[in-house]
Amino acid sequence: KQEVTQIPAALSVPEGENLVLNCSFTDSAIYNLQWFRQDPGKGLTSLLLIQSSQREQTSGRLNASLDKSSGRSTLYIAASQPGDSATYLCAVKRSGYSTLTFGKGTMLLVSP
Amino acid sequence: NAGVTQTPKFQVLKTGQSMTLQCAQDMNHNSMYWYRQDPGMGLRLIYYSASEGTTDKGEVPNGYNVSRLNKREFSLRLESAAPSQTSVYFCASSRQLDEKLFFGSGTQLSVL
Repeated sequence: KQEVTQIPAALSVPEGENLVLNCSFTDSAIYNLQWFRQDPGKGLTSLLLIQSSQREQTSGRLNASLDKSSGRSTLYIAASQPGDSATYLCAVKRSGYSTLTFGKGTMLLVSP
Repeated sequence: NAGVTQTPKFQVLKTGQSMTLQCAQDMNHNSMYWYRQDPGMGLRLIYYSASEGTTDKGEVPNGYNVSRLNKREFSLRLESAAPSQTSVYFCASSRQLDEKLFFGSGTQLSVL
């Protein structure tokens, strides 16, 4: 069974800092990995999707990397802003399975 | 562009009552999903529909039924609600099973 762990569970940083969110998974036979953002009381917004054959994906100030052999992915946020405050979740799709396994998320607070 | 629309946004039920959660997407996506999100448990897949005319069980299907009414609409039915079904329910869609997910804004359901 795939298990997805996100550390830390919560993170508080001042505005302008570069930060890294971590996601680890137990089964390295994955098809792809997605990072999502969830604002309080709202649905999830997909930020980046990395295929198993890729090492990283970038979108604006966000960069996600994938290391299948070690079962890890990181989401790098450059020059953080208060508007980045949200919960960030990663989700893994195993090869041969139709569904995603989600981590429990990292709650990020960026203070002005 | 509305994306994924869920109704209702809030619902309170008594134990044993039934209800249907509605979901519609306007992105011409083939695949649709129902998730529930509980504190400390993360998101868990209830049912999904890979394409119009098909439905499959996810991780936690007991107590639920689904209908893929057409390509746009995917409903979730609780036949006899139980307090354990108190949760936030999210509908999602994707162009194909392995692709980026788009989520609705959620339904907060309380079963008393």
